[in-house]
Amino acid sequence: EAQVTQNPRYLITVTGKKLTVTCSQNMNHEYMSWYRQDPGLGLRQIYYSMNVEVTDKGDVPEGYKVSRKEKRNFPLILESPSPNQTSLYFCASSLYSTDTEAFFGQGTRLTVV
Amino acid sequence: ELKVEQNPLFLSMQEGKNYTIYCNYSTTSDRLYWYRQDPGKSLESLFVLLSNGAVKQEGRLMASLDTKARLSTLHITAAVHDLSATYFCAVDPTSGTYKYIFGTGTRLKVLA
Repeated sequence: EAQVTQNPRYLITVTGKKLTVTCSQNMNHEYMSWYRQDPGLGLRQIYYSMNVEVTDKGDVPEGYKVSRKEKRNFPLILESPSPNQTSLYFCASSLYSTDTEAFFGQGTRLTVV
Repeated sequence: ELKVEQNPLFLSMQEGKNYTIYCNYSTTSDRLYWYRQDPGKSLESLFVLLSNGAVKQEGRLMASLDTKARLSTLHITAAVHDLSATYFCAVDPTSGTYKYIFGTGTRLKVLA
């Protein structure tokens, strides 16, 4: 089954404790991205990657890091999480073409206390 | 600053009625996407509109794009309860950059 898999689905952590949210897709998509969803703000893009070893900042990259060492994986790293990073995070992937839709993961609800 | 605005933000409607959700954006773009999100769930693609005048239909939903007016509409015909969800439009402001900008979403509730 074609899918984008995120882990964990839920995470509660403390301020400053490094964490990684994993994202993996099995559709051989070149393009992957991370979004955060906050009430009243819709989805905002954090980082995106157009292929292996190619990443770029979205609209809200501060406090986040990403890497793309393999085509299927695109982890999101919070080196020192803060409470304002409490949010619902989505990973998405698509073919290397803006003519197609993106496929989204199930989401990761992160709470930083 | 690029903005993507949806109207209305909340919509409560009776089953069987018709209604339209509007998506206005502030920059030139010839690519617009519509997604649906059920409560507590992920986003699911509904439509990809790739050019001025594009119209796509799936069941009771029809989407259109007017790039000159920088406007897309999502029309709901004879609403049913199963259409209750939040609908997002998204714009690719510069084709090929993949820096998608999403609207704030329209929460639709269809009352039986």
